[in-house]
Amino acid sequence: NAGVTQTPKFQVLKTGQSMTLQCAQDMNHEYMSWYRQDPGMGLRLIHYSVGAGITDQGEVPNGYNVSRSTTEDFPLRLLSAAPSQTSVYFCASSYGVSSYEQYFGPGTRLTVT
Amino acid sequence: RKEVEQDPGPFNVPEGATVAFNCTYSNSASQSFFWYRQDCRKEPKLLMSVYSSGNEDGRFTAQLNRASQYISLLIRDSKLSDSATYLCVVNGGATNKLIFGTGTLLAVQP
Repeated sequence: NAGVTQTPKFQVLKTGQSMTLQCAQDMNHEYMSWYRQDPGMGLRLIHYSVGAGITDQGEVPNGYNVSRSTTEDFPLRLLSAAPSQTSVYFCASSYGVSSYEQYFGPGTRLTVT
Repeated sequence: RKEVEQDPGPFNVPEGATVAFNCTYSNSASQSFFWYRQDCRKEPKLLMSVYSSGNEDGRFTAQLNRASQYISLLIRDSKLSDSATYLCVVNGGATNKLIFGTGTLLAVQP
């Protein structure tokens, strides 16, 4: 099993550009989520999904969209990148919402100039 | 007040030392508690879940104190390979989402 994979590993964007961060898992997990990690802030939940076709907002959803058309894939779209979105983004999957181990992808380091 | 607060660190300890981290949480309805480990520039990985009765995994012991709303992690006989950031994670009660602490950096010195 590859576990949770994320692409790209690194990305530099200019302000106003859009892009999609890809996330895939091969563990047949229903629950998937996106976090951002900033110094001194801990991981913060952006969006999550409890199954294909179902998504919901987390703590910091503004400026991001998600979709879940399949169990395996959960892409995160930045609509119009801003310097405040410079961060490390982690995708995670698990069997359930909060009582189960979260499996994280390797992360995407995004810089917005 | 933050929902999950951890010792600020960094903790610099010699090999073989015993080190303890504490973490407090604000939501008394929280039911799930974890310690995750994050190596530099890597993703977090589950170290251990924390149960009401306390639990041990080799050199690592986790304790939960519901009355005082804190959890702890004890590492005995520290190894160089234990150097990492340790994240306290608690589910958010009514929202049932995981809340991550900012982490405590441990550096084990030779």
